[in-house]
Amino acid sequence: GAVVSQHPSRVICKSGTSVKIECRSLDFQATTMFWYRQFPKQSLMLMATSNEGSKATYEQGVEKDKFLINHASLTLSTLTVTSAHPEDSSFYICSARGLRGGDYEQYFGPGTRLTVT
Amino acid sequence: GQNIDQPTEMTATEGAIVQINCTYQTSGFNGLFWYQQHAGEAPTFLSYNVLDGLEEKGRFSSFLSRSKGYSYLLLKELQMKDSASYLCAVTDSNYQLIWGAGTKLIIKP
Repeated sequence: GAVVSQHPSRVICKSGTSVKIECRSLDFQATTMFWYRQFPKQSLMLMATSNEGSKATYEQGVEKDKFLINHASLTLSTLTVTSAHPEDSSFYICSARGLRGGDYEQYFGPGTRLTVT
Repeated sequence: GQNIDQPTEMTATEGAIVQINCTYQTSGFNGLFWYQQHAGEAPTFLSYNVLDGLEEKGRFSSFLSRSKGYSYLLLKELQMKDSASYLCAVTDSNYQLIWGAGTKLIIKP
């Protein structure tokens, strides 16, 4: 099956600093990658969709200058949380989708737990 | 607007059968997914339905009726490890996933 990795799995940072999260598709080419945020006891919230080589499309209410997304290759996307604040503490999950014979399934990374102190 | 409804929480007994329902109203339809998510972990894929009918995979089955905008996930021979949230998600006309809020399933001995 398709494997997606995320790094780091957990990160603690101080308020005002920036944090970069990597998402990699290990055994397939991801034409599209998605970034989600999930607060405790809530469902996934889509933050943005990125296609390789083009700018990410952000969901309403998500600040694109605060959550920088780069999808430079077919196997790597990064999310940078700039000037992080305690309210940015959350579980960030990426997923990747590749076109394989019409399969539009999204494959999820294991998630990154961000805590901002 | 786009909307997916599923019960917030369900309780079932170990060894029993439970059915989790999902109804949807979306702009277009290109398939329905069920995911399982344990607390603190990312979702894992369970099933995908794009045509009407029942898809069986071991202890888990998923049913779809496109005309009714309805799906269910059926879990048989429940085990304690099945305690998790079950997320229903629909792919719309733009192939974007629209997520339900999830159903927390509690299994009791």
